[in-house]
Amino acid sequence: AQTVTQSQPEMSVQEAETVTLSCTYDTSESDYYLFWYKQPPSRQMILVIRQEAYKQQNATENRFSVNFQKAAKSFSLKISDSQLGDAAMYFCAYRSSMYSGGGADGLTFGKGTHLIIQP
Amino acid sequence: GAVVSQHPSRVICKSGTSVKIECRSLDFQATTMFWYRQFPKQSLMLMATSNEGSKATYEQGVEKDKFLINHASLTLSTLTVTSAHPEDSSFYICSARDWASGEGGQETQYFGPGTRLLVL
Repeated sequence: AQTVTQSQPEMSVQEAETVTLSCTYDTSESDYYLFWYKQPPSRQMILVIRQEAYKQQNATENRFSVNFQKAAKSFSLKISDSQLGDAAMYFCAYRSSMYSGGGADGLTFGKGTHLIIQP
Repeated sequence: GAVVSQHPSRVICKSGTSVKIECRSLDFQATTMFWYRQFPKQSLMLMATSNEGSKATYEQGVEKDKFLINHASLTLSTLTVTSAHPEDSSFYICSARDWASGEGGQETQYFGPGTRLLVL
């Protein structure tokens, strides 16, 4: 079974600064997907960014980018120019690829990191 | 992006009663939906995978007789918590898979807004 570890229960950053949230995972599969989801106080899960394991290029979405290190099984999220609206819980998640034979389609989540933005 | 709705958004029920939660994909068809549970200040835990026209697949440790899942159409999955007890109080979130989204056949899961269940 896959596991996802987020070692930072809480992070704080000044508005406009850059912050990096860490995530490591454990899997024996070679093909899979990794995600970062944001959960604001409304508790609506919002997809921030997605990375396919077979792609070496790190995914980027505007101010959000990842550092995907497949060999190290690391998938960190960098938020540049932090804004007050970025304050939320951030969850790292793993999903098997349909081609990996793992059979698990649901997401495996880490415990989350609570991101605080200081004005 | 695609929209997933849940109803009700919050429900209070008495111990021993059953509660039904609906998950709908509003502008796409979803052959597969997922049900998660989230306790306060904790992560989401996958409970079961709901497949249209077939039986749901439950994760280890989830009681299938307690959490009944029905995926009767391509846009609707229901979770019924039977004989609810206070320990079933939690936040239940569904997600739906849209095969048409993404490139190269990859898919995106869209989450509903969640249902807060309180069992007295």
